[in-house]
Amino acid sequence: DQQVKQNSPSLSVQEGRISILNCDYTNSMFDYFLWYKKYPAEGPTFLISISSIKDKNEDGRFTVFLNKSAKHLSLHIVPSQPGDSAVYFCAAKDTGNQFYFGTGTSLTVIP
Amino acid sequence: DAGVIQSPRHEVTEMGQEVTLRCKPISGHNSLFWYRQTMMRGLELLIYFNNNVPIDDSGMPEDRFSAKMPNASFSTLKIQPSEPRDSAVYFCASSLRGQAGTEAFFGQGTRLTVV
Repeated sequence: DQQVKQNSPSLSVQEGRISILNCDYTNSMFDYFLWYKKYPAEGPTFLISISSIKDKNEDGRFTVFLNKSAKHLSLHIVPSQPGDSAVYFCAAKDTGNQFYFGTGTSLTVIP
Repeated sequence: DAGVIQSPRHEVTEMGQEVTLRCKPISGHNSLFWYRQTMMRGLELLIYFNNNVPIDDSGMPEDRFSAKMPNASFSTLKIQPSEPRDSAVYFCASSLRGQAGTEAFFGQGTRLTVV
């Protein structure tokens, strides 16, 4: 059973607008959450993370929000750029250092 | 550091043949993960090691799959015999366990095609 879920397989956004990617999880024992970005023919690369003790972390155009009561996190990209077009994976880490990944959301930023 | 190194990048093999995928984790990392990426299931964790010891192999599809980590700098994922449904991209990743929030670093993957 998927412990990390990304229910939107794809998302299209106009350049300059905000992209919001969503992720839900089921295990309240996860202590760290991460977003990875993946281009075709490459491995996923780390983008941004957030500890379970925080509710927001910001890095440039990228902000991750965590709502523990709803077991939900989201990644906001603003402003979106064509180079942001990629597949974004949400991941969660448990205290045993095991990582659980969602199925990914393919983001297309339209110029 | 060169990052996580996987070989080969591409592998085409015939059904029934043995396939061995290789991974060199980042030096100093003590956790290693093998993932399989498919369209339907995204990134599936197959197995992971802490300090060269397999911790959780519940994601390994069946007995045809096996993984070893003989030392801290090398791991293999073997499929014997291979089947067409094993065709996927296989990723290896490593991380440093014990540091809160340390992300896993991924290799570039091995694209396996079984015909």
